[in-house]
Amino acid sequence: GAVVSQHPSRVICKSGTSVKIECRSLDFQATTMFWYRQFPKKSLMLMATSNEGSKATYEQGVEKDKFLINHASLTLSTLTVTSAHPEDSSFYICSARVVDTHTEAFFGQGTRLTVV
Amino acid sequence: GQNIDQPTEMTATEGAIVQINCTYQTSGFNGLFWYQQHAGEAPTFLSYNVLDGLEEKGRFSSFLSRSKGYSYLLLKELQMKDSASYLCAVLDSNYQLIWGAGTKLIIKP
Repeated sequence: GAVVSQHPSRVICKSGTSVKIECRSLDFQATTMFWYRQFPKKSLMLMATSNEGSKATYEQGVEKDKFLINHASLTLSTLTVTSAHPEDSSFYICSARVVDTHTEAFFGQGTRLTVV
Repeated sequence: GQNIDQPTEMTATEGAIVQINCTYQTSGFNGLFWYQQHAGEAPTFLSYNVLDGLEEKGRFSSFLSRSKGYSYLLLKELQMKDSASYLCAVLDSNYQLIWGAGTKLIIKP
């Protein structure tokens, strides 16, 4: 299957700082990437859909100014958590799919964010 | 609204067989996926069903009945490493993936 690389896998930051998470599709061009958040023992919560060359589409309740998404190229999408607070601590996962098809989603390794 | 239901948690014994059910009500249907997720890791793809019937892949099999909005994942010869969460996800008419909450499977010796 396709490979999606997510970096960093773990990050600890201080309250008020910003953290950038990168998601790269290594062997295919992902025009659309998805950013999820997952709380302990809960399923994936879609935060936003990242479209190459255009603005991301955010799910209801997700603050676009808080979670900045940039999809500057066909292989790279970034999620920046701005002015992080302890409640932003979570597991963030990106995935890439070939949209409008039945192909499965390929996931990055996930990023464990801890805000202290 | 769109809804996917699966049990929260199941327990089974090493070497046994377990069936994890998933029922769905979605806006259209373009297939159903099963993923495995170990704690602290990203989900990994297990299976895809779009036609009715059973798909077998080694120790894992997945079944689909579109008329009943129902699927199950069958795991045979359970191993301790099968302890994980199993996520059911449906592709709706817009090819959006709708995720279930996941079933945590606990394997006991």
